[in-house]
Amino acid sequence: EAGVAQSPRYKIIEKRQSVAFWCNPISGHATLYWYQQILGQGPKLLIQFQNNGVVDDSQLPKDRFSAERLKGVDSTLKIQPAKLEDSAVYLCASSVSSGASTDTQYFGPGTRLTVL
Amino acid sequence: AQSVTQLGSHVSVSEGALVLLRCNYSSSVPPYLFWYVQYPNQGLQLLLKYTSAATLVKGINGFEAEFKKSETSFHLTKPSAHMSDAAEYFCAVSDWGRDDKIIFGKGTRLHILP
Repeated sequence: EAGVAQSPRYKIIEKRQSVAFWCNPISGHATLYWYQQILGQGPKLLIQFQNNGVVDDSQLPKDRFSAERLKGVDSTLKIQPAKLEDSAVYLCASSVSSGASTDTQYFGPGTRLTVL
Repeated sequence: AQSVTQLGSHVSVSEGALVLLRCNYSSSVPPYLFWYVQYPNQGLQLLLKYTSAATLVKGINGFEAEFKKSETSFHLTKPSAHMSDAAEYFCAVSDWGRDDKIIFGKGTRLHILP
């Protein structure tokens, strides 16, 4: 079974530029998550989708971050404009069913973003 | 709000020695608890989870953890460390039935000495 795919793996941009990340979850997984992992910290949930609807985006900085999951499959996360403090690894994860915390989440390798 | 504290950002053990990674949680309701492992340049992988059944939970790769309510702890152990265990380990908590969000600790990097 193919895992969660993310691209690009690495991205370097200057502050105030825009950037987009892409995630393709495991086939058939209904729930998709985006996490931000700042160096030295654990992952923090940014947004959770179930199919193509948003379940939780309470920690997404909506003035600059946006995410969509068209057709309930793959997803994009965008930052516009980027700030220095957005430097982090952005992890995508998926789970098979309702998105309850007891569901096993499968993580992709992440995109490492550096903002200069 | 629920949280976890991992004691020690770096832990070093000799190959073959006992691995003990410490995690204490804070939760106002019975929690669900998790341990994840992250190998270099990879995403996180679930090692084990506690969901209010048996207090001693066995996971993959020979790891296990024991839920101790009186100590609010969920320490991760492995009897004999292997070089391949070198990675970062994250303890996490969720309050099922409330916001049901998983909150991760800051992580402990495990170093295995030859």
